Amino acid sequence: DTGVSQDPRHKITKRGQNVTFRCDPISEHNRLYWYRQTLGQGPEFLTYFQNEAQLEKSRLLSDRFSAERPKGSFSTLEIQRTEQGDSAMYLCASSSLDTLAEAFFGQGTRLTVV
Amino acid sequence: KQEVTQIPAALSVPEGENLVLNCSFTDSAIYNLQWFRQDPGKGLTSLLLIQSSQREQTSGRLNASLDKSSGRSTLYIAASQPGDSATYLCAVTGGSYIPTFGRGTSLIVHP
Repeated sequence: DTGVSQDPRHKITKRGQNVTFRCDPISEHNRLYWYRQTLGQGPEFLTYFQNEAQLEKSRLLSDRFSAERPKGSFSTLEIQRTEQGDSAMYLCASSSLDTLAEAFFGQGTRLTVV
Repeated sequence: KQEVTQIPAALSVPEGENLVLNCSFTDSAIYNLQWFRQDPGKGLTSLLLIQSSQREQTSGRLNASLDKSSGRSTLYIAASQPGDSATYLCAVTGGSYIPTFGRGTSLIVHP
């Protein structure tokens, strides 16, 4: 297993366009998280899945954002009608249900809205 | 709501110094605490994880301690090297199993 994989690594889009990011967690990790990080800030929580169930969503996740994890494996994060304020690094993480609950992160998707 | 604070925000030191990075959190009902390293434009690399029942963890030149009752953790880096230059992030996980992050400490170790 090569760890958490995110695609694409970079995305440049025009304001108003829709974008979709993909995250492949570590195999057999039940928990999957999406975070957003802007320059000079720590990662901010967006949403969390346990298997295919979306258990929690942050207030940061506006109506333009939607996330899915249809079969409890990979996940997608879609942003509709992108705005310049959506420019950020989008990070995905996964963890198992064991007692450690150690989180492992992917390399992130850098979104630039022009 | 859990709040995580990291001090200092930035640190610049000469090679060879021993360093202490600080992390404090407001809700002591935590499940674990993780320290991460982040290089510019990259994702996060897990350095150390301390479970709530533990007091410290060590990996090579890194040692992390946890004082849950006072809401504090420190990351000690011994004999710093230029390759240690990065941002160090502290994340606290509570019963919701959602890690909450501080803003990080940006470290520069110059030769």
